[in-house]
Amino acid sequence: EPEVTQTPSHQVTQMGQEVILRCVPISNHLYFYWYRQILGQKVEFLVSFYNNEISEKSEIFDDQFSVERPDGSNFTLKIRSTKLEDSAMYFCASKFEGVNRALYYGYTFGSGTRLTVV
Amino acid sequence: AQSVTQPDIHITVSEGASLELRCNYSYGATPYLFWYVQSPGQGLQLLLKYFSGDTLVQGIKGFEAEFKRSQSSFNLRKPSVHWSDAAEYFCAVTSQSGGYNKLIFGAGTRLAVHP
Repeated sequence: EPEVTQTPSHQVTQMGQEVILRCVPISNHLYFYWYRQILGQKVEFLVSFYNNEISEKSEIFDDQFSVERPDGSNFTLKIRSTKLEDSAMYFCASKFEGVNRALYYGYTFGSGTRLTVV
Repeated sequence: AQSVTQPDIHITVSEGASLELRCNYSYGATPYLFWYVQSPGQGLQLLLKYFSGDTLVQGIKGFEAEFKRSQSSFNLRKPSVHWSDAAEYFCAVTSQSGGYNKLIFGAGTRLAVHP
């Protein structure tokens, strides 16, 4: 079964450093998402991406965050200057939406990148 | 505003016992509904989803869920729990209009299973 692949699985970075989290969505999916989950808390939406542009972003997704689909396969989340409160698990998801939504609709999540800011 | 409520933060059941995890949603129209499971340190695995039609949907690992429009609920059930079911369970909702619509998650229910 096709998977969403995220790398690295765990990243430790110093406060103020830039990090790039990488995702390879499923190849025929068109919609891409980033979510985060602070330890012990709920999964929160960050941003959705479609047709090479941001479709929607949450208030968490401030100017420190950016997303990119640089080569038609990878989907990246960049945090320019990390803060301690950015420590979380970050999930990438992609979605396929066929004509018959009941058959094809679904969000597939990657295994996540655990980001630790020290 | 759209929201998902999972009233139970923690539930503990004995192995072999039945299970019901509650989920209530607040949405302007009939939504698409999902249940995901997350084992410790792992990603989110889809258990089942509801779009339309039969309000009782079957999923993987022996789980089922029932959509009750009148109660705005989508409770997850399993007749006999196995120790391997210990995990965190998330209910999620999205719009039926499709497109780039995001999933909105509940806070999760952590399930512990006693041998």
